[in-house]
Amino acid sequence: NAGVTQTPKFQVLKTGQSMTLQCAQDMNHNSMYWYRQDPGMGLRLIYYSASEGTTDKGEVPNGYNVSRLNKREFSLRLESAAPSQTSVYFCASWRSLAGVSEQFFGPGTRLTVL
Amino acid sequence: EDQVTQSPEALRLQEGESSSLNCSYTVSGLRGLFWYRQDPGKGPEFLFTLYSAGEEKEKERLKATLTKKESFLHITAPKPEDSATYLCAVQGGGGGSNYKLTFGKGTLLTVNP
Repeated sequence: NAGVTQTPKFQVLKTGQSMTLQCAQDMNHNSMYWYRQDPGMGLRLIYYSASEGTTDKGEVPNGYNVSRLNKREFSLRLESAAPSQTSVYFCASWRSLAGVSEQFFGPGTRLTVL
Repeated sequence: EDQVTQSPEALRLQEGESSSLNCSYTVSGLRGLFWYRQDPGKGPEFLFTLYSAGEEKEKERLKATLTKKESFLHITAPKPEDSATYLCAVQGGGGGSNYKLTFGKGTLLTVNP
């Protein structure tokens, strides 16, 4: 049971390049999330998927797109990277069981846009 | 709009010196208040979820409590390995926010031996 996995761990892009961040979870959770974490800003929600086949915008969706490929996988795409998108990106999944809710995070992708 | 404010921003303790971290929140219909621990270079690690005022949860040297306006994370006799950033988040109850968390900026705890 690997939990939430993310690839790549590190990435450097030039302004205008595109890339996709991959996320997968093996816990059979319905809900998945993408956050970015910046110094002094805390974790901010980019997009989330409450269940397979649905996606919704979070607090900071501009410049990003997402795909919920299946129940396990939720990808984040930067179509034209900008320096303002330099950040650490975390994927998470949500479990609600017997009235107890928990959110599990992946190890993160550290992205630098030059 | 849900808001979470954590204080202090940073806290330095000596080993064995107990203290508390604060998380103040405003939310329309609290569905849950979450505490996480985050080590440098890693993703947040789930600690607790609290649901109603008066609720308390414990794990080793940590105890989380909840009131209608704030939550405290009490650290009893901390050890150097408790050094980390502690994050607080709330899940509001309004409409489409059922599955979303709003995070505070965290408290960086350093425990010196």
